Amino acid sequence: QVQLVESGGGVVQPGRSLKLSCAASGINFNNYGMHWVRQAPGKGLEWVAVIWHDGSNKNYGDSVKGRFTIARDNSKNTLYLQMNSLRVEDTAVYYCARDNARADEYYGMDVWGQGTTVTVSS
Amino acid sequence: DIVMTQSPLSLPVTPGEPASISCRSSQSLLHSNGHTYLDWYLQKPGQSPQVLIYLASNRASGVPDRFSGSGSGTDFTLKISRVEAEDVGVYYCMQALQLYSFGQGTKLEIK
Repeated sequence: QVQLVESGGGVVQPGRSLKLSCAASGINFNNYGMHWVRQAPGKGLEWVAVIWHDGSNKNYGDSVKGRFTIARDNSKNTLYLQMNSLRVEDTAVYYCARDNARADEYYGMDVWGQGTTVTVSS
Repeated sequence: DIVMTQSPLSLPVTPGEPASISCRSSQSLLHSNGHTYLDWYLQKPGQSPQVLIYLASNRASGVPDRFSGSGSGTDFTLKISRVEAEDVGVYYCMQALQLYSFGQGTKLEIK
């Protein structure tokens, strides 16, 4: 069964840190790049970060660059997002998603988790 | 950075009628490999997003054929030939040529 399950969300004060996890099953995890995408309350989707299948390349959205770090452990089929120096505006549901792209083939973000909620508040 | 702009932002539709959503990118999404990196996603109420269309015009697995994507360069369209009640939600276009960015979303509702 193809599944992504996020965890680690919660309430945190501004300036503090939080680490999200995304556990993958049934998707051949180590063959695919992975994304984090977030959605602030009542707002649209915002791309956060991507990591290549082998972890060799990472990219970030401008709003999180220098504060967030994406990582993966292919031996554990798990994706991570380390979030430091959190701000009120980082409050959102955070989704992980599979990047179905290999060589010259591309099929979009075709598997999504159910999301985990991060609330940054004093 | 590539900016994605959708219209309309709200779309009331009568069941059985067609619907169309426009998406414009601030620069061409055509890659040198010949692919155009424009996707469409639907987020149904209370659910995670799901891919509908990839590479501008390819339906994702399991997507009904009433959904179609078209366009090239900087102008793209998602069409629903006959809207059904289950199609309600927010539709997003997304570019994947230079990193990734989403449009603002178009909320489709049933009249």
